[in-house]
Amino acid sequence: AQSVTQPDIHITVSEGASLELRCNYSYGATPYLFWYVQSPGQGLQLLLKYFSGDTLVQGIKGFEAEFKRSQSSFNLRKPSVHWSDAAEYFCAVGAPGSARQLTFGSGTQLTVLP
Amino acid sequence: GAVVSQHPSWVICKSGTSVKIECRSLDFQATTMFWYRQFPKQSLMLMATSNEGSKATYEQGVEKDKFLINHASLTLSTLTVTSAHPEDSSFYICSAPDLGDEQFFGPGTRLTVL
Repeated sequence: AQSVTQPDIHITVSEGASLELRCNYSYGATPYLFWYVQSPGQGLQLLLKYFSGDTLVQGIKGFEAEFKRSQSSFNLRKPSVHWSDAAEYFCAVGAPGSARQLTFGSGTQLTVLP
Repeated sequence: GAVVSQHPSWVICKSGTSVKIECRSLDFQATTMFWYRQFPKQSLMLMATSNEGSKATYEQGVEKDKFLINHASLTLSTLTVTSAHPEDSSFYICSAPDLGDEQFFGPGTRLTVL
């Protein structure tokens, strides 16, 4: 069965600092990979996705993620965090060839200090 | 991008009553929709897959008689929490994939059972 691990429950960074959120997955093949952001009481917004090809993917709001097959990882990065980035971030995987059914990680809560 | 709406956004009900939550794809058709449940500070857990024109598929441990799902049309799925109890209080989120298999999430429904 596929699984997703986000080892950091809570991360605090200062505004303007760089950010990296970790995500590791377990799957028999390379799955489809996603990062979503959820603001309090809101639904999920897709930040970026990886299906195949270039392992460094660019997303919205200045985020990027790098797929590393050897490490089964898909870490999310941003060079300079803004206060509005404070939210919950979820990594998710979908079966290869289909993004229909997703398995989510436990999430990482990001706090941004002024 | 595509839009998925949910109604109501929040609901408070008495224990023993039933509550219906609607999920609509506003500008695209979805033969499949997904229902998730999210407890505070936790990840999304897939409850069931709603299929237009056929029975829903429930995840292990989800009571199908408790959480009734009806996919009435290509743009509407409903989740009815029957005989709700306080332990059913949660944040319920639906999603629908477009033709490109990208998932679009509704804003969620906060259910509180007194």
